[in-house]
Amino acid sequence: DAKTTQPPSMDCAEGRAANLPCNHSTISGNEYVYWYRQIHSQGPQYIIHGLKNNETNEMASLIITEDRKSSTLILPHATLRDTAVYYCIVRGYGQNFVFGPGTRLSVLP
Amino acid sequence: DTGVSQDPRHKITKRGQNVTFRCDPISEHNRLYWYRQTLGQGPEFLTYFQNEAQLEKSRLLSDRFSAERPKGSFSTLEIQRTEQGDSAMYLCASSKRTGSSYEQYFGPGTRLTVT
Repeated sequence: DAKTTQPPSMDCAEGRAANLPCNHSTISGNEYVYWYRQIHSQGPQYIIHGLKNNETNEMASLIITEDRKSSTLILPHATLRDTAVYYCIVRGYGQNFVFGPGTRLSVLP
Repeated sequence: DTGVSQDPRHKITKRGQNVTFRCDPISEHNRLYWYRQTLGQGPEFLTYFQNEAQLEKSRLLSDRFSAERPKGSFSTLEIQRTEQGDSAMYLCASSKRTGSSYEQYFGPGTRLTVT
């Protein structure tokens, strides 16, 4: 079973920030938080990952709470092309990725 | 970096036939994974290789499924005596170690329809 809980769906207005939450209350000290997204009929696309510090790359920012029990993926200026299913995954060394159902993000014009 | 490629992209077969899919990982990635994804669900892990060694297989991988990675480069996934329940998207991913983590990069998938 997935170790994360995400809302099934969210809407976001084009040009606004999309904030996607993820709960992972049972995360252990050596487990990373990964985010992927999947646009319809394509393979999942890696977005970002982190351990305890906040991370930023050209696609998104990842904010992890101090107790590491939850995180938020931020897409700073959502576009229509960001409409996808977003998966939050907790994974430790030697473990496999376990995908939950994810959050279906709809970016609205 | 040409990304992970999979062939074919679509396959329609009749129940009882055998099918084989191919995955070419990103060069220099030593790990290769296979997943299955059904409609409305996230991908489910099937098996993975480190170089040519198959290190783990999921309970989902029945005896009709076999995967190989003979020279540690490309991999094949074969399904024998296909059943309608095998209809799904089959995804391949590859990774290499970066620090303490392995980011997996996915291919476009092979969509299998069993009629």
